[in-house]
Amino acid sequence: QVLLQESGPGLVKPSETLSLICGVSDYSISSGHFWGWIRQPPGKGLEWIGSIYHSGTTYYNPSLKSRVTVSLDTSKNRFSLEMTSVTAADTAVYYCGRPLLRGSLDAFDIWGQGTMVTVSS
Amino acid sequence: QSALTQPPSASGSPGQSVTISCTGSSSDVGGYNYVSWYQQHPGKAPKLLIYEVSKRPSGVPDRFSGSKSGNTASLTVSGLRAEDEADYYCGSYANINNLMFGGGTTLTVL
Repeated sequence: QVLLQESGPGLVKPSETLSLICGVSDYSISSGHFWGWIRQPPGKGLEWIGSIYHSGTTYYNPSLKSRVTVSLDTSKNRFSLEMTSVTAADTAVYYCGRPLLRGSLDAFDIWGQGTMVTVSS
Repeated sequence: QSALTQPPSASGSPGQSVTISCTGSSSDVGGYNYVSWYQQHPGKAPKLLIYEVSKRPSGVPDRFSGSKSGNTASLTVSGLRAEDEADYYCGSYANINNLMFGGGTTLTVL
């Protein structure tokens, strides 16, 4: 059973960089899927942040693209998110996820449990 | 980018059917057959219910069904049960190599 687990600081100061890691268990991240990050501000809806293909190709939400980097670490079977210049608007539960179908960008069927990140001084 | 448009709330009695809409544009919902639906209970991660407009992943009951007409996709929950009370989100592939979600609909089982 594929398991995803987010990890990283729960508190980030304004203007600093948010860094999260998604560890993947029981499945190789090199196996032909996209791997993505999605966030959900408290009491609000879902927002796609960006995704990375097993080859390293990345796609980002246009509204976040200038501040976001998603990368793979195949040696540790994990992928990561970096978001620069954060503000209070970036406070959210951050999920990592994997789509159901190989090669598909959408339809996430595997999700991490989510990690709450608060941006505050 | 603007989120796909969903009604904020929907409701129905046990055993009834409820349909939730998701309206986008020709650049997302209307332009591709890559619409998905998710169920989210409080404090939990979303669960995929429907992908590619009308397909169900293994294990999802056939009480959940999806369809699309033009720029609007729909999720129908038939035979409502108490455990169906949750938030529901639509998602769609969008131009170009982009993903969008709806604002979410809270379903109440009366």
